Amino acid sequence: EAGVAQSPRYKIIEKRQSVAFWCNPISGHATLYWYQQILGQGPKLLIQFQNNGVVDDSQLPKDRFSAERLKGVDSTLKIQPAKLEDSAVYLCASSFRRPRRPSTDTQYFGPGTRLTVL
Amino acid sequence: AQTVTQSQPEMSVQEAETVTLSCTYDTSESDYYLFWYKQPPSRQMILVIRQEAYKQQNATENRFSVNFQKAAKSFSLKISDSQLGDAAMYFCAYRSAYPKRGSNYKLTFGKGTLLTVNP
Repeated sequence: EAGVAQSPRYKIIEKRQSVAFWCNPISGHATLYWYQQILGQGPKLLIQFQNNGVVDDSQLPKDRFSAERLKGVDSTLKIQPAKLEDSAVYLCASSFRRPRRPSTDTQYFGPGTRLTVL
Repeated sequence: AQTVTQSQPEMSVQEAETVTLSCTYDTSESDYYLFWYKQPPSRQMILVIRQEAYKQQNATENRFSVNFQKAAKSFSLKISDSQLGDAAMYFCAYRSAYPKRGSNYKLTFGKGTLLTVNP
């Protein structure tokens, strides 16, 4: 079974530039998560999708970050314009969710995209 | 809101020895899940072990086991017969079992413990 795919693996940009990250979840996984992992910290959830709908984007800086999941499969996370403090690893994760049934719902992570903002 | 605390930024262990990584958490919920994730230098986060709060029995996965103390809100990871491949950042994470309406199944992570395995 293929894992969660992310691209690019590394990105270096100047502040105020734009950048986009792509994620392809495990086939059949309805739930997709984007996490931000700043150096020396644990991952922090930015946004969660259930199919193509947003479940939680309370930690997403909406003035500069946006995300979409068209057709409930692939997802794109965009930053425009980037700030120095956006330097981090951006992790995508996916999980299989059975509606209205409690589940341990293991999240599987991709390799991440390391963003450096200069 | 739930919080997860890992008080050991770094730990080291000799190959073949046993090491225990500590994790404490704070929650007002009675039903939840706890996880240990491993993140090697390549950055792929991998699930190591999972514990359901309603289960009294501690989870075990081969050389990995946990000591779950619900009353103390403690969830430590024991790695037996440590191997060089165990070297990684280890994260403790919390997840609600039955999130309230409008909430979700997000993971709340600690800051991690960097484990070094010495040959």
